[in-house]
Amino acid sequence: DTGVSQDPRHKITKRGQNVTFRCDPISEHNRLYWYRQTLGQGPEFLTYFQNEAQLEKSRLLSDRFSAERPKGSFSTLEIQRTEQGDSAMYLCASSRRNQGSYGYTFGSGTRLTVV
Amino acid sequence: DQQVKQNSPSLSVQEGRISILNCDYTNSMFDYFLWYKKYPAEGPTFLISISSIKDKNEDGRFTVFLNKSAKHLSLHIVPSQPGDSAVYFCAASAEGAGKSTFGDGTTLTVKP
Repeated sequence: DTGVSQDPRHKITKRGQNVTFRCDPISEHNRLYWYRQTLGQGPEFLTYFQNEAQLEKSRLLSDRFSAERPKGSFSTLEIQRTEQGDSAMYLCASSRRNQGSYGYTFGSGTRLTVV
Repeated sequence: DQQVKQNSPSLSVQEGRISILNCDYTNSMFDYFLWYKKYPAEGPTFLISISSIKDKNEDGRFTVFLNKSAKHLSLHIVPSQPGDSAVYFCAASAEGAGKSTFGDGTTLTVKP
C-alpha cells in the first residue's frame, strides 16, 4: 500500500492555458474522488468515480473541468482555459466501495496557481 | 448553504488538557460523521468516525460524541499533545452517497 499519489505537486500556469493533473489511488480502492480546497475552507467536492464510471459531478463544476478514469485505475483532471479563480489545492482521494465510516485516503494534493 | 459548519476557526489549549472541537450540521440525511486531521503540505488524514445510530465512539485519546437531536457533534482529545496541532475537519456523508461534505476546519494549537 503506497497511498494515493498525485502529480504534479505544484503547477503554475498562465491564465487561458490548459492543465492536467494525475491521481493514482490505492490499488484495492474502487472509488476515486476529486476535491478542491482554497485557503481557509474545507475540501469542496468536484466529482467521483466508481471503477471507470463517473457517478456524480458537482453542479458547481463548470464545463471547463473534465475528469476521466479510463481503466478504473488512475484518474486525470483537466482544466481548460484556466482562470485566476481556479487557483486552489486539488485533492484526490480513494476508498473502498462502501466508504461508510471508514473515510477516505487522501493524496498530498496538487497546488495550482494561475497567473 | 453550508451543510456542515465548524464555527470556531481556531482553538488553543495547554498540553495535557482536553481539546474539544465542535461541528454542526443541517442535513438530517447524513448517516456517518467523520473527523480528519491535516498537517501543512499534506492531504487530510482520516482520524475517527461515528455512525448516526451511535452517540459515542472512542479510539485511544480521541472520542467523538454525536447529538442527533441538536445536529451537533464534537471531538474530544485527551490528553492533548503538541503533535496534535493541526487543522481538524468535520465531514458528513449519507449512506449510499459517494461524497462527503466537509466543514471549513478548526486549527488546533497545543502549547507545551
